[in-house]
Amino acid sequence: TQLLEQSPQFLSIQEGENLTVYCNSSSVFSSLQWYRQEPGEGPVLLVTVVTGGEVKKLKRLTFQFGDARKDSSLHITAAQPGDTGLYLCAGGRNRDDKIIFGKGTRLHILP
Amino acid sequence: DAGITQSPRHKVTETGTPVTLRCHQTENHRYMYWYRQDPGHGLRLIHYSYGVKDTDKGEVSDGYSVSRSKTEDFLLTLESATSSQTSVYFCAISERLIANTGELFFGEGSRLTVL
Repeated sequence: TQLLEQSPQFLSIQEGENLTVYCNSSSVFSSLQWYRQEPGEGPVLLVTVVTGGEVKKLKRLTFQFGDARKDSSLHITAAQPGDTGLYLCAGGRNRDDKIIFGKGTRLHILP
Repeated sequence: DAGITQSPRHKVTETGTPVTLRCHQTENHRYMYWYRQDPGHGLRLIHYSYGVKDTDKGEVSDGYSVSRSKTEDFLLTLESATSSQTSVYFCAISERLIANTGELFFGEGSRLTVL
């Protein structure tokens, strides 16, 4: 059972367009993180959200944590080729030390 | 960049042979993790450690064992490698639990091919 479902799995859009990717679960998480991974490298943390309804902005990227702390979204405004990569969400639960990852959204921005 | 070194970075081995992957950190972080990454499966936790000699299983621990005798080193061992263990293995470290907003720092990965 995949605890964190990410959608879409793949997304290819033109430079300058806006996009939103999603991370959904039936479980409640105490915090949720988004990572970006480029080919041949390990994932790198973009943001951590901890409060239901929280919105964080990182330049053209906007992250939101659902009110019930079961889901999150990542919105990119005016996508650029440098945004290309695999976007992973990861959740932590208070009751254990394990960190659960979604399968990721592979994003390709066409110049 | 966080000081995490994985070795070897690439390895080709034959079915039935033992394999050990090493993760070395210079950050003195308490938590260390081993993940495998496969197409269609994402990152899956194999084993993790929350201190020296303190380890626990993740979601795909069968066929793997780990040891942590020092804070800085976390070893992943495949006692008898199988083709299904062909994968890219990532080590990660964190100072705090992700539940407490800890950040995971990843190594560059070790690509293992079992023939």
